[in-house]
Amino acid sequence: VLVTQTPSSLPVSLGDQASISCKSSKSLVHNNGITYLAWFLQKPGQLPQSLIHTVSNRFSGVPDRFSGSGSVSDFTLKISRVEPEDLGVYYCLQYVHYPLTFGAGTKLELK
Amino acid sequence: VQLVESGGGLVQPGKSLKLSCSASGFTFSSYGMHWIRQAPGKGLDWVAYISSSSGTVYADAVKGRFTISRDNAKNTLYLQLNSLKSEDTAIYYCASITTSYWGQGVMVTVSS
Repeated sequence: VLVTQTPSSLPVSLGDQASISCKSSKSLVHNNGITYLAWFLQKPGQLPQSLIHTVSNRFSGVPDRFSGSGSVSDFTLKISRVEPEDLGVYYCLQYVHYPLTFGAGTKLELK
Repeated sequence: VQLVESGGGLVQPGKSLKLSCSASGFTFSSYGMHWIRQAPGKGLDWVAYISSSSGTVYADAVKGRFTISRDNAKNTLYLQLNSLKSEDTAIYYCASITTSYWGQGVMVTVSS
């Protein structure tokens, strides 16, 4: 399954809203009705951290300025007001079809 | 919760290495686990998965060369890397996607 993530680079100012798109070549809806699309953030020099699972569910401790939406094969991550600690590379991951596939990443950086 | 990888290092092409991931702070035996790698300056690349009942799946690039396994009694995940190639050079992370847990990663460098 091909996962296309755009844009590859997203220059923002602090306080801006940011939006990242993730499109898959196949439906990510499992037979059980659950859609398996996740989002991760990798800050410079750090390991990836999990933000959102199953399209729109934030993991514990993830600020509510992060929101995920979408369905079937078209998904979006929004950051309502970008803060300095949000800068880094964002990845989406489809985990319904094996082999699992990540998007190529979106670098969120300051203008 | 902690996932601590070990076993990385510098190895020649064609040789083998075994990575370990020691888990603590959660019920390791109840969760499927993944190995995910990241080549220098590149994105994330899924490598292998093992279910809680030890069913396994591999990426095409490593199928037949890598083996994922687990020892629930020791709360440890493994990745046996055989016939290593230069393109296997990466940081290898163990992770549980459904619980959000990631290890700190271990570097594997394949070079003569």
